[in-house]
Amino acid sequence: AQSVTQLDSHVSVSEGTPVLLRCNYSSSYSPSLFWYVQHPNKGLQLLLKYTSAATLVKGINGFEAEFKKSETSFHLTKPSAHMSDAAEYFCVVSDTDTGTASKLTFGTGTRLQVTL
Amino acid sequence: GAGVSQSPRYKVAKRGQDVALRCDPISGHVSLFWYQQALGQGPEFLTYFQNEAQLDKSGLPSDRFFAERPEGSVSTLKIQRTQQEDSAVYLCASSQAGASYEQYFGPGTRLTVT
Repeated sequence: AQSVTQLDSHVSVSEGTPVLLRCNYSSSYSPSLFWYVQHPNKGLQLLLKYTSAATLVKGINGFEAEFKKSETSFHLTKPSAHMSDAAEYFCVVSDTDTGTASKLTFGTGTRLQVTL
Repeated sequence: GAGVSQSPRYKVAKRGQDVALRCDPISGHVSLFWYQQALGQGPEFLTYFQNEAQLDKSGLPSDRFFAERPEGSVSTLKIQRTQQEDSAVYLCASSQAGASYEQYFGPGTRLTVT
């Protein structure tokens, strides 16, 4: 069975300071890993994805994440937070399949607060 | 082109009523997923279609939940005899075939059962 654990339910940073959102995963197969963002009253948007290519993945809006198999981690980072980054962030895992789509398993989410 | 759309956006139902939630996927997307997001939680998988075939319904919480996609495009999630615990946001996502393709999510339908 696949699962993800988001280690912080709430993170608060000052604008202009680095962001770190932590995620650990568990998967029986070679996983695909994603980070999605959900702004209030808006749909889920993909930030970035890892699918067994480069272990350092760059996404939209300056976010990136590093896949570390030895630590079973996929932490999300950004060098400098912006007020517009305030949202709910979900770490997501999907078991890789050869040809068919696969369901996503979401973490419980981390709410990022950005203060002036 | 247009993204995934869902209707209605909000639905209030009295306990015991039946409801139907609609999802219009992105044109040409083979795969369609339904997820349930309870307040303060991450979305949880309900069911998955590839074209008109329902390949996985392991996440449906009870036999009161039923989903269909008869022509391989629009999908409907039906909940019979709604209960208060069914209150949640129901999300639809579509993607091209293959596990590495991104799932595009709709805005969701917020169901409140009173």
